[in-house]
Parts: sequence; C-alpha cells; structure tokens
Amino acid sequence: GAGVSQSPSNKVTEKGKDVELRCDPISGHTALYWYRQSLGQGLEFLIYFQGNSAPDKSGLPSDRFSAERTGGSVSTLTIQRTQQEDSAVYLCASSLGGGQPYGYTFGSGTRLTVV
Amino acid sequence: AQSVSQHNHHVILSEAASLELGCNYSYGGTVNLFWYVQYPGQHLQLLLKYFSGDPLVKGIKGFEAEFIKSKFSFNLRKPSVQWSDTAEYFCAVFRGATNKLIFGTGTLLAVQP
Repeated sequence: GAGVSQSPSNKVTEKGKDVELRCDPISGHTALYWYRQSLGQGLEFLIYFQGNSAPDKSGLPSDRFSAERTGGSVSTLTIQRTQQEDSAVYLCASSLGGGQPYGYTFGSGTRLTVV
Repeated sequence: AQSVSQHNHHVILSEAASLELGCNYSYGGTVNLFWYVQYPGQHLQLLLKYFSGDPLVKGIKGFEAEFIKSKFSFNLRKPSVQWSDTAEYFCAVFRGATNKLIFGTGTLLAVQP
C-alpha cells in the first residue's frame, strides 16, 4: 500500500484481557518498528524486525508483550493480561532497510485504552 | 543513561515570534539526528535530518536546526512561527550500532493567533 496501515485505530479493553494490534508496512520495506507513545513519555521503542534476522526485543517492557512478523510483511503486537499502564498509542513504522533511518514511515497508530 | 533530552515540554508563542526548541543527546560516536513533527490528528512526519556536512540543516516549512557536536545539541529553530505550526515536535537520534531511532519526550508547541 501507499502507507503504513495499522488496525484497529482505537481499542478499548478491560483490564486482564489480551489484545492484538496489527501493522501492515509499506510493500518492500524490510524493516519494521513498534513504538509506544504515552503522554509525557515521548516515543518509546518496543521492538524492531529486519528481514529474516532475529528481532531486537530490547524495548519490550515486560513478558506480557510479544510481537511477530509473518512472511516478512504484516506484524502483530500482542499484549497479554492488559494493565491500565498499557494505555497508550502504539505506533508502527517501516523503512527500506535497518540502516536507512531517513526512510521511516509511520502509521497513524492504535490508541489503546485499558479500563 | 544514554538518552535524548528535550527540556521544553510545553511552549506557547504568539504568531510571528521566533522559536527555538532544545534537543540534547548523550550518545558518543557517530549519530544521525532528526526532528519529527506531529500535527493534531496526523501521523508523525519528518521535518529535517542531519547526517553529515553542513551542521546547519534546513527543513520543510521554514524550519532549520543546527548540530553543535561539542554541545551534543541539535536545536530546532524558526524565525517566525505561524498558527499552523501548532504541533508536537520530537527530536530523535539514530545510531547505526542499534539500528533504531531513539526519541525525546517531545515538545508541545501552541501558537496563538
């Protein structure tokens, strides 16, 4: 597609439930990133996928968070047993390659609210 | 800890005022520097970037930034702001060693007409 597509755009869930957030990157982009945007916290790096390499999971805040990228394209971020502090906007970005930061294209994000 | 710092969290200006938003980073070695902007309800967009060469970088919409290596700074400037510049501005640093952008906490700019 023309841009990075994220779904859903908004998600309200009850505390303790699991949620899945989806990112569809730009076709041909081998690098995919997930960030979390919270009020006053800026953008917090979560995880990075580059081609078929093992993902960089160094930013995941706890073992309740996981992500996968199937076929080098679509990625799903899963949050298990959601907590109120997980409420944030989750942003996905893609680029042609990991060494090309100027090529980051961001999606519009998924606003997650845990009640 | 290594980080990207934006000391101005919320800035309010009148139209035609000059703008300077601070950005400092604490990484050593070679870095690539960026400013992103997020207008209300819109995606993050690249405003300008510095890779090498002239430390004074010009971006879109009349913005510029100056890389001062000795001060580990990359401040964003605009001589005369407009109401349409109301947005949140993020400084970011890319390090090849980690292959990811690290963002500052953002500065919310409100321009009053």
